[in-house]
Amino acid sequence: DAGVIQSPRHEVTEMGQEVTLRCKPISGHNSLFWYRQTMMRGLELLIYFNNNVPIDDSGMPEDRFSAKMPNASFSTLKIQPSEPRDSAVYFCASSLAGGLETQYFGPGTRLLVL
Amino acid sequence: AQSVTQPDIHITVSEGASLELRCNYSYGATPYLFWYVQSPGQGLQLLLKYFSGDTLVQGIKGFEAEFKRSQSSFNLRKPSVHWSDAAEYFCAVGSYGQNFVFGPGTRLSVLP
Repeated sequence: DAGVIQSPRHEVTEMGQEVTLRCKPISGHNSLFWYRQTMMRGLELLIYFNNNVPIDDSGMPEDRFSAKMPNASFSTLKIQPSEPRDSAVYFCASSLAGGLETQYFGPGTRLLVL
Repeated sequence: AQSVTQPDIHITVSEGASLELRCNYSYGATPYLFWYVQSPGQGLQLLLKYFSGDTLVQGIKGFEAEFKRSQSSFNLRKPSVHWSDAAEYFCAVGSYGQNFVFGPGTRLSVLP
């Protein structure tokens, strides 16, 4: 299995632009998680899906952030408009069923908003 | 609210020395406990997890952790550290019906 795939691996954009991060979970996994990692705040859970349905989005910082999972093999995290404070590494992870099962992390997308 | 603390931000040990990374949690329900490791520039990987049963859990790469309910702790140990163990280590806690929470992480440096 290829593992969790994220794209792009690096993204540099200017403030105000729309940013879309993509994730392909491991085939057969029913849960998908989006995390943000910064030096100041550590690793934060933004949202997680179970069977393509958002279960908990309480970690989404504000309305500028949105996430979708149109099918079991694809998810997006969108930031519109982006701000410099959104600069971070964004990880996608998947598991068989929920956070209590082993989560398999992708390599992350390093986002820099200028 | 549930929380996880890792008191040590950064630890340095010599190769071959023993290692213990501390993790304390505050959780209302029966906790499920995890240790993940993050190598530089990579995502996290599960080292071990505890759900129930024997409180001493064996993981990958020679790591083990002990759950102590009375101390609300789940410390990670390794008897002899290798240079390749240099990484960031995250303790995490979850429970059915509760959010899954990661600790702030402990960065491990290994001296040759």
